[in-house]
Amino acid sequence: GNSVTQMEGPVTLSEEAFLTINCTYTATGYPSLFWYVQYPGEGLQLLLKATKADDKGSNKGFEATYRKETTSFHLEKGSVQVSDSAVYFCASLSNTGNQFYFGTGTSLTVIP
Amino acid sequence: DAGVIQSPRHEVTEMGQEVTLRCKPISGHNSLFWYRQTMMRGLELLIYFNNNVPIDDSGMPEDRFSAKMPNASFSTLKIQPSEPRDSAVYFCASRTTGLYEQYFGPGTRLTVT
Repeated sequence: GNSVTQMEGPVTLSEEAFLTINCTYTATGYPSLFWYVQYPGEGLQLLLKATKADDKGSNKGFEATYRKETTSFHLEKGSVQVSDSAVYFCASLSNTGNQFYFGTGTSLTVIP
Repeated sequence: DAGVIQSPRHEVTEMGQEVTLRCKPISGHNSLFWYRQTMMRGLELLIYFNNNVPIDDSGMPEDRFSAKMPNASFSTLKIQPSEPRDSAVYFCASRTTGLYEQYFGPGTRLTVT
């Protein structure tokens, strides 16, 4: 079946540090992959996406590359800011269905 | 576009009372999803509709929960009777079928005392 596993948090980093949040997926076929971000008190917002192998999604300095060989979609940012403090969710969408599969979320706190 | 609209934003009720949460999806979207988020269980899919028809309700916790989508622009999630363990943030999301992302509403924070 389909599922998404992401790195457990919480993660605490100093401003300008490098960020990696790991995400791996299991799926039948080739799903589309997403990273969503949830700021305190708000709903989830799409951060970036990739729809096929080797695609790189990027937005606001965040990047993730769709790696079919390792079934991974790790989120990275070279220099985090305090405003990046949020919960990050990895998700997959089967190319045959309509259902999203979300990871458990990783809480990130960036301290000045 | 106003985005996905949910009401109320906050609801506090006593155990045993009926609670109705409302959602207006983005115009033109044909799929609607209800999620529940708690610290213990994370984000859980409760039910989703495609073209107003319930497709998968396997995530609905029990018979106390019911959801309807009478038309393309409105859905409700009802809990009757409510219990303290139903306290959570309930999100509605909508999308267009295909390789497109979901758009989430701001959520309804439900507290059952």
